[in-house]
Amino acid sequence: AIQLTQSPSSLSASVGDRVTITCRASQGISSALAWYQQKSGKPPKLLIYDASSLEDGVPSRFSGSGSGTDFTLTISSLQPEDFATYYCQQANTIPLTFGGGTKVEIK
Amino acid sequence: QVQLQESGPGLVKPSETLSLTCTVSGGSINNYFWSWIRQPPGRGLEWIGYIYYSGSTSYNPSLKSRVTVSVDTSKNQFSLRLISVTAADTAVYYCARRRRGYENFDYWGQGTLVTVSS
Repeated sequence: AIQLTQSPSSLSASVGDRVTITCRASQGISSALAWYQQKSGKPPKLLIYDASSLEDGVPSRFSGSGSGTDFTLTISSLQPEDFATYYCQQANTIPLTFGGGTKVEIK
Repeated sequence: QVQLQESGPGLVKPSETLSLTCTVSGGSINNYFWSWIRQPPGRGLEWIGYIYYSGSTSYNPSLKSRVTVSVDTSKNQFSLRLISVTAADTAVYYCARRRRGYENFDYWGQGTLVTVSS
């Protein structure tokens, strides 16, 4: 199975900060990567698919980039509602796999 | 707006069978893939498997010997059956819709916690 390694595992940031989360795949997955946001007690919410395509209704401060093995999720200006855990998911090969998560906390 | 709702027992004894159903409302189950994903308390997400409305399936090899996913299009439902459960199967179980054309999940149920304990 393809392993996804997210870094950092957690970070502290302030409202208005630019935040970048990385996801590295154990083998090339082209652009077949998605990003999800999960708040406590809620299901994950799809933010980005195909590495850089913004899901309908997701604010434009979220963006994704990368291909092959290295990917990033960027939040251009962190808002109070963005404090959550973020997961990457590879969509290239069965079994579908997720990264370990990055928890974004308030500084 | 498509909505998914999981239902089933919240407590299962070790060695027994976990059975959950996902009811889809606000849209048809036809022409989509439907998936089960789980999350142990405080941990990350694990894809269990999915089913096309026609009945074809794909499973995570780590669970394949114990998992069956089925669909009932007349009821707009699909189901999960996991046999021979252990404490390691304790998790929040989510049902989700696979985004058309992509192996991602655009609609999710709220999740149901299943605890394996005697």
